[in-house]
Amino acid sequence: SQQGEEDPQALSIQEGENATMNCSYKTSINNLQWYRQNSGRGLVHLILIRSNEREKHSGRLRVTLDTSKKSSSLLITASRAADTASYFCATAPFGETSGSRLTFGEGTQLTVNP
Amino acid sequence: GAVVSQHPSWVICKSGTSVKIECRSLDFQATTMFWYRQFPKQSLMLMATSNEGSKATYEQGVEKDKFLINHASLTLSTLTVTSAHPEDSSFYICSCLKRAHDEKLFFGSGTQLSVL
Repeated sequence: SQQGEEDPQALSIQEGENATMNCSYKTSINNLQWYRQNSGRGLVHLILIRSNEREKHSGRLRVTLDTSKKSSSLLITASRAADTASYFCATAPFGETSGSRLTFGEGTQLTVNP
Repeated sequence: GAVVSQHPSWVICKSGTSVKIECRSLDFQATTMFWYRQFPKQSLMLMATSNEGSKATYEQGVEKDKFLINHASLTLSTLTVTSAHPEDSSFYICSCLKRAHDEKLFFGSGTQLSVL
């Protein structure tokens, strides 16, 4: 079952602005991952944050994780038109071995206007 | 890198026919492959988990006789939609786990199936 909820469902911003997307989940996790999907394409892994981590950076991406609130946020700084895509969070259940199946959130459609 | 090839990218078929979708890991061996279904503007729904040389594990509500999965090698898994009907029209995506990167998935580019 899908346990991730993301908000907003859709976000439209201007190039250069920052974009923040949030993800909430229901059960304990091993790690949380963010993926990007361009329209009609497969998903691309962006970043992984483990349950014992609180913040992680990768280029223009910043991910936070609050396990007490069962929530995560993805911040994209200095957005570009090429960042236009759907963004999904995905959780790996706590206690399962690596390679366990991920549960994906509902996704946020980001539109960056030039 | 890790490249996953999914073929075909799109297929149109008549109702009642069967359609086979291939998922190949091109430059690595995939310990496990996953098959998803995605409706427009919605999330990915996991259909089944496929391990090389063993039977696929299907999610609740997914008909195993309808969606046949074969994982004959560490680099190839196939999904066959048997006796397709218009309600099977959807975007199907595969993903692969790569040894030493077992926590993140590498995705194929997806297959858009339209059943007339």
